[in-house]
Amino acid sequence: GENVEQHPSTLSVQEGDSAVIKCTYSDSASNYFPWYKQELGKRPQLIIDIRSNVGEKKDQRIAVTLNKTAKHFSLHITETQPEDSAVYFCAASMGGYQKVTFGTGTKLQVIP
Amino acid sequence: EAGVTQFPSHSVIEKGQTVTLRCDPISGHDNLYWYRRVMGKEIKFLLHFVKESKQDESGMPNNRFLAERTGGTYSTLKVQPAELEDSGVYFCASSQAQGRGGYTFGSGTRLTVV
Repeated sequence: GENVEQHPSTLSVQEGDSAVIKCTYSDSASNYFPWYKQELGKRPQLIIDIRSNVGEKKDQRIAVTLNKTAKHFSLHITETQPEDSAVYFCAASMGGYQKVTFGTGTKLQVIP
Repeated sequence: EAGVTQFPSHSVIEKGQTVTLRCDPISGHDNLYWYRRVMGKEIKFLLHFVKESKQDESGMPNNRFLAERTGGTYSTLKVQPAELEDSGVYFCASSQAQGRGGYTFGSGTRLTVV
């Protein structure tokens, strides 16, 4: 089955700096890669996703990149703010209604 | 639209007892998933319903776990008898047919087995 690895497990950045979280996946059939943000005590929320026919996607301060050949995908947050502090999960799926396999999460702390 | 609702939000039970978790998906969402996060690890897949049918139950850890979705609406996940290693946060998620737009998660049930 699919295996998703995520690094780093914790990340501290100064407010205003950029944060990058990297993931790798094992199953070349995966074609849908969502990212979830979970604030303390709250539900995971989808913040951005990318499909395999696209190499990069941006939404304001958040961008995701996908390298299908290397089976890598990354989340980039620019101009970080304290409210970006949360646990971020990458995930991979074969799309449609197929199950999603999650990474182990990255705890991001943005220091004011 | 109402989100995915889970009940209870917290449950503390003794080893050997039974606990039933409930999930109400977003109305009209055919796909319902159960996931579990144990001790700061990854969010791990348990099973997937399409309407009332179990599409994939490959993540269910053992036969102490029983999930149902009668009538294709809400779902229950029963743990009987509970063991210490069952402690964690159980998340339910739902999505539309064909899974467009990703999951919507519930707030989770934090289960503590003592």
